[in-house]
Amino acid sequence: DGGITQSPKYLFRKEGQNVTLSCEQNLNHDAMYWYRQDPGQGLRLIYYSQIVNDFQKGDIAEGYSVSREKKESFPLTVTSAQKNPTAFYLCASSIRRNTEAFFGQGTRLTVV
Amino acid sequence: AQRVTQPEKLLSVFKGAPVELKCNYSYSGSPELFWYVQYSRQRLQLLLRHISRESIKGFTADLNKGETSFHLKKPFAQEEDSAMYYCAGGATNKLIFGTGTLLAVQP
Repeated sequence: DGGITQSPKYLFRKEGQNVTLSCEQNLNHDAMYWYRQDPGQGLRLIYYSQIVNDFQKGDIAEGYSVSREKKESFPLTVTSAQKNPTAFYLCASSIRRNTEAFFGQGTRLTVV
Repeated sequence: AQRVTQPEKLLSVFKGAPVELKCNYSYSGSPELFWYVQYSRQRLQLLLRHISRESIKGFTADLNKGETSFHLKKPFAQEEDSAMYYCAGGATNKLIFGTGTLLAVQP
C-alpha cells in the first residue's frame, strides 16, 4: 500500500524536551517537505529536501531540525528552542520539485 | 520574497451559486501554481495545477500573469464542495502555501 505515513498521530511532550516526528514514504519520491499548520496561518514551510543528504530551511526553521539519511525518511525534531511548538505538523513528498505533493495524515503535537 | 496570498478566510455561498476563490502570487520567474483541497477529516490533496489546464470536479483556474492571479472558479457550487482550499506556488525547490479559504456551501 503506497503512500506517505506520519507517526504518531498525537504526541504530548513536556516543555523543554526535544521530540521527533516520523515521516516515511514508499512512493520513491525525491522531494520531501515539513509544514506547520496553525489556524488562520495556513501551511508554513519548516524544512524541505530535494535529495538524500541534502535539505534547506524553509520560512520558519528556527527551533527545528531534520535529517535525510534515506530517500524514504525525513524525520523532524522539534527542539526546546522552538518557542511555540504546539501545532499540527504535515509532511509531504513529491517526485521532484514543483510537482504534485502528497501529504501525510499529520501529527498533532501538544507541549504542556 | 515568494508569496501566495489568499485574501478571504471564509467564503459562504448557497448551493447552485457561482464560486470564486481568490489567489494572488508574488514570484520571480514562472512559478508552478496549484490548488489543494482539504475535506473534513481527510488529507490535503491536489485539486488542480495550472499547467494541466483541466477541470476537476467542475473547478477551473486560469493563470493571469498580468494580474499575478490564479483564482479558482466553479459556476455552480455543490454542498460537497465545502472544504478548506489552499493555493500553492512552487519555484526554486520550495512549495509555498497561502493561508487558505474555507468554502461553506449552504443548502
